Amino acid sequence: DAGVIQSPRHEVTEMGQEVTLRCKPISGHDYLFWYRQTMMRGLELLIYFNNNVPIDDSGMPEDRFSAKMPNASFSTLKIQPSEPRDSAVYFCASSSGTSYNEQFFGPGTRLTVL
Amino acid sequence: KQEVTQIPAALSVPEGENLVLNCSFTDSAIYNLQWFRQDPGKGLTSLLLIQSSQREQTSGRLNASLDKSSGRSTLYIAASQPGDSATYLCAARGGRGYGQNFVFGPGTRLSVLP
Repeated sequence: DAGVIQSPRHEVTEMGQEVTLRCKPISGHDYLFWYRQTMMRGLELLIYFNNNVPIDDSGMPEDRFSAKMPNASFSTLKIQPSEPRDSAVYFCASSSGTSYNEQFFGPGTRLTVL
Repeated sequence: KQEVTQIPAALSVPEGENLVLNCSFTDSAIYNLQWFRQDPGKGLTSLLLIQSSQREQTSGRLNASLDKSSGRSTLYIAASQPGDSATYLCAARGGRGYGQNFVFGPGTRLSVLP
């Protein structure tokens, strides 16, 4: 298995632009998680899906952030408009409810908003 | 609200030493606890997952224990090697009102000197 795949690996954009981050979970996993990691706040859960349905989005910082999972093999995290304080590494992770929900992480997307 | 702490924040040891990393959580009603390793600029790699009904898990030179009643988990690394240098994070899943959410600790940055 290729593991969790994220794209792009690096994104540099200007304030006010729309940013879309993409994730392909491990095949067969029914949970998908989006995290954000910064030096100041560590690793924070933004939102998670179960069987493509958003379950808890209480970690989404504000309305500028949105996430979708149109099918079992693809999810997006969108920021519109982006701000410099959104600069962070964004991780996607997936897990299987039949395997005790051990989480497997993607390599992350390093986002820089100028 | 579940809070996870890790002690020490950083640790530097000579090669060959056995060492213990500590993880504490405030809500003992967890489903499981997972230990991860993160190399600089990389994603998280799962090391061990301990279910709430288990006391410990072992993988090679790594042993993780779980004491729910005291809200603590330890990661024991035997015969440390320079390649073990990384940041180690623990994450507690569940707890009252937390569902599938994982709450991460801030990590312990380990340096093993040759």
